Amino acid sequence: GALVYQYPRRTICKSGTSMRMECQAVGFQATSVAWYRQSPQKTFELIALSTVNSAIKYEQNFTQEKFPISHPNLSFSSMTVLNAYLEDRGLYLCGARQGNERLFFGHGTKLSVL
Amino acid sequence: SQWGEENLQALSIQEGEDVTMNCSYKTYTTVVQWYRQKSGKGPALIILIRSNEREKRSGRLRATLDTSSQSSSLSITGTLATDTAVYFCAHTGNYKYVFGAGTRLKVIA
Repeated sequence: GALVYQYPRRTICKSGTSMRMECQAVGFQATSVAWYRQSPQKTFELIALSTVNSAIKYEQNFTQEKFPISHPNLSFSSMTVLNAYLEDRGLYLCGARQGNERLFFGHGTKLSVL
Repeated sequence: SQWGEENLQALSIQEGEDVTMNCSYKTYTTVVQWYRQKSGKGPALIILIRSNEREKRSGRLRATLDTSSQSSSLSITGTLATDTAVYFCAHTGNYKYVFGAGTRLKVIA
């Protein structure tokens, strides 16, 4: 079956520091990876969509300078939250797309900022 | 029902009852996916329905898609306490999925 592993599950960082999260697709090759942030109110914000060998598309209010993404192959992607502050708190979700339709998620990385 | 700008909806029902959750969308859509998210976990894909399908079933789950009214529904028959979760619809017509606000379902045993 298609699985997506994301780690770490939880992380706490001091305000102004950075943290990196990783995403691994297992059992399939991800045609693209979408990074989302889910707020405590459960709403989803798309941060960026990454396709191997193509430019990463960032959504409005999200930039490469703040959320640099690496997507070196069809099974792995990582994203860093640089200079994290309180407004960056949330559950960061990696969605790996199988073919043109199914989008599978990992458990997410819960980011807390002190 | 779920709508991009609305708040999370909440439903509380007794175990054994049937429930239907609705989702509306505004943009061109080819696929709608429904997800179940339990506390502390990521969203799990539970059913996918394409624009050329009006109905899709999977066990106790039934999804419908009406492209003319731009709406989709998810029904669960004979709910169990383990169905307690937040349910999201997500639709796509291009390269990205847009999620609804979600429906928080609580099934009381």
